[in-house]
Amino acid sequence: SQKIEQNSEALNIQEGKTATLTCNYTNYSPAYLQWYRQDPGRGPVFLLLIRENEKEKRKERLKVTFDTTLKQSLFHITASQPADSATYLCALSLYNQGGKLIFGQGTELSVKP
Amino acid sequence: DGGITQSPKYLFRKEGQNVTLSCEQNLNHDAMYWYRQDPGQGLRLIYYSQIVNDFQKGDIAEGYSVSREKKESFPLTVTSAQKNPTAFYLCASTPKGLSVNEQFFGPGTRLTVL
Repeated sequence: SQKIEQNSEALNIQEGKTATLTCNYTNYSPAYLQWYRQDPGRGPVFLLLIRENEKEKRKERLKVTFDTTLKQSLFHITASQPADSATYLCALSLYNQGGKLIFGQGTELSVKP
Repeated sequence: DGGITQSPKYLFRKEGQNVTLSCEQNLNHDAMYWYRQDPGQGLRLIYYSQIVNDFQKGDIAEGYSVSREKKESFPLTVTSAQKNPTAFYLCASTPKGLSVNEQFFGPGTRLTVL
């Protein structure tokens, strides 16, 4: 069956450390992958997009990698801050599916001061 | 300011009643989407529309209906046929539905069935 899975348990880290979130998928061949941030009771906000032929993408303190052999994406936040505390969602887009996205269940990140 | 608005923010419904959730965007985007989010779960696609007067079922369309009469509006009706409608509903849009784009989300409507 097709699945997209993120760390099911909440991730708790200390301020200043690097947070690493995982997104694994099975039986999909995504054209690209996106990461979103969602705060409680709010809509998700787009962070980064990476295409299947890209290995790594960076934006300020954020970095995402995409390994189509391992079927995995890693999302890193360096020098984490309490304001980074939120739920992070990964989403796949498949070939010939237009703009449709398939979302993971999200990982809750908590950064302690 | 450009963006997506959803109303109301909170909605309560009695069992057996239909209810319509509003979604409006002034971003001039072609494609619009409706998702449902349950606690601890990802977003699941209900319906989407890539152009005015056209829409397609998503993964969980049963018990829902939509219309797309105007580019800026994509209302969702939750009918009495939806067995478990209590959830957080999110509307999103993208500039073009057939190409690689980030999705812009509204603030959501939390529907509770009493």
